Amino acid sequence: GQNIDQPTEMTATEGAIVQINCTYQTSGFNGLFWYQQHAGEAPTFLSYNVLDGLEEKGRFSSFLSRSKGYSYLLLKELQMKDSASYLCAVRGIYGQNFVFGPGTRLSVLP
Amino acid sequence: DTAVSQTPKYLVTQMGNDKSIKCEQNLGHDTMYWYKQDSKKFLKIMFSYNNKELIINETVPNRFSPKSPDKAHLNLHINSLELGDSAVYFCASSQAVSGQETQYFGPGTRLLVL
Repeated sequence: GQNIDQPTEMTATEGAIVQINCTYQTSGFNGLFWYQQHAGEAPTFLSYNVLDGLEEKGRFSSFLSRSKGYSYLLLKELQMKDSASYLCAVRGIYGQNFVFGPGTRLSVLP
Repeated sequence: DTAVSQTPKYLVTQMGNDKSIKCEQNLGHDTMYWYKQDSKKFLKIMFSYNNKELIINETVPNRFSPKSPDKAHLNLHINSLELGDSAVYFCASSQAVSGQETQYFGPGTRLLVL
């Protein structure tokens, strides 16, 4: 079976740092993706990890530990526009199969 | 230019009706997907097509039938609509099935069944 877990909601202050965790149990693994989804809009790609370690892209970083089935998305210097849902997704070994987590709704307060 | 487009953006219809949602991508991608996002915002894959061939067919009622006339289009036809079909349906496409080639999502079709 496949199971992906994320916290439902998080709140942080503008300018702060927030870490959104994702744990997964899947029958196959071929990469982990993070997406951002603003209310009423489509998900957009943020980051990709397939090997263990940290990937950094500007204010966003993503970490993966395959042995622990664990990833996190780190957002630095939070801005109001970062208020959105953040979706963790695991791609299966056959490539076309993406399983999404329930998403974490982040609220950034002034 | 819109990379992945869907029509219609909104669809309000009565229970029992049949409706179609269209999706087109101009990215030259080989793989296209349909996802359903329910009221709890859970995004779940329904179908995946690669070069017009059905690759993934998750546990979806057979009232839902995808059709891919060519690799740039993947339409979704829904028969005998039910209240529980109300959701946002996203089309997506990707080029490769490995590496960091991600999916690109369309704007979504908001379906409300009354």
